[in-house]
Amino acid sequence: SAVISQKPSRDICQRGTSLTIQCQVDSQVTMMFWYRQQPGQSLTLIATANQGSEATYESGFVIDKFPISRPNLTFSTLTVSNMSPEDSSIYLCSVGTTDTQYFGPGTRLTVL
Amino acid sequence: QQQVKQSPQSLIVQKGGISIINCAYENTAFDYFPWYQQFPGKGPALLIAIRPDVSEKKEGRFTISFNKSAKQFSLHIMDSQPGDSATYFCAASMTSGTYKYIFGTGTRLKVLA
Repeated sequence: SAVISQKPSRDICQRGTSLTIQCQVDSQVTMMFWYRQQPGQSLTLIATANQGSEATYESGFVIDKFPISRPNLTFSTLTVSNMSPEDSSIYLCSVGTTDTQYFGPGTRLTVL
Repeated sequence: QQQVKQSPQSLIVQKGGISIINCAYENTAFDYFPWYQQFPGKGPALLIAIRPDVSEKKEGRFTISFNKSAKQFSLHIMDSQPGDSATYFCAASMTSGTYKYIFGTGTRLKVLA
């Protein structure tokens, strides 16, 4: 398994601002993913973070709203841009082998 | 066709009892079925997983039963303990494709002491 850390663990932000969430893994991994989990809900995949190329976004998520960087095989960032209260969620990164995914502890975001 | 349906939404079990959570899928291309356990304020943690070439997998008190023809799989927690109280998610993926997971809606389990 991989040890995954996320920063910040939680934040309270004002409407219209942006927040960048960092995900660090203790080993090189091919696949990294970003998820959103709204309170009491399941996990929804935002995008696959590809190293050296643009992220692949799922239906309903766009790069302008959720820009993602993946500069190397151990690190990725997700930015939540121009935030609104509807963006209040837990944001999780995960790393994958060919079958298994391991999740970070999550970033709890509250937008006022 | 990409959905994974999970039931029940919530479950209350007495200590020592058996907890059973069910999932059903439609896409026959799915070939990996993990279960995750999530405690409040934590990320999901892999509990146990199965591939469709076996009908059952057991790890300690946790067992996955898999019915390929019915496109259903279930998690059984034997001798349920209060420490098992958490939210459980099933998922499905195609390991020869994009490796993306499709998650079920989750089951909130409460084990009474």
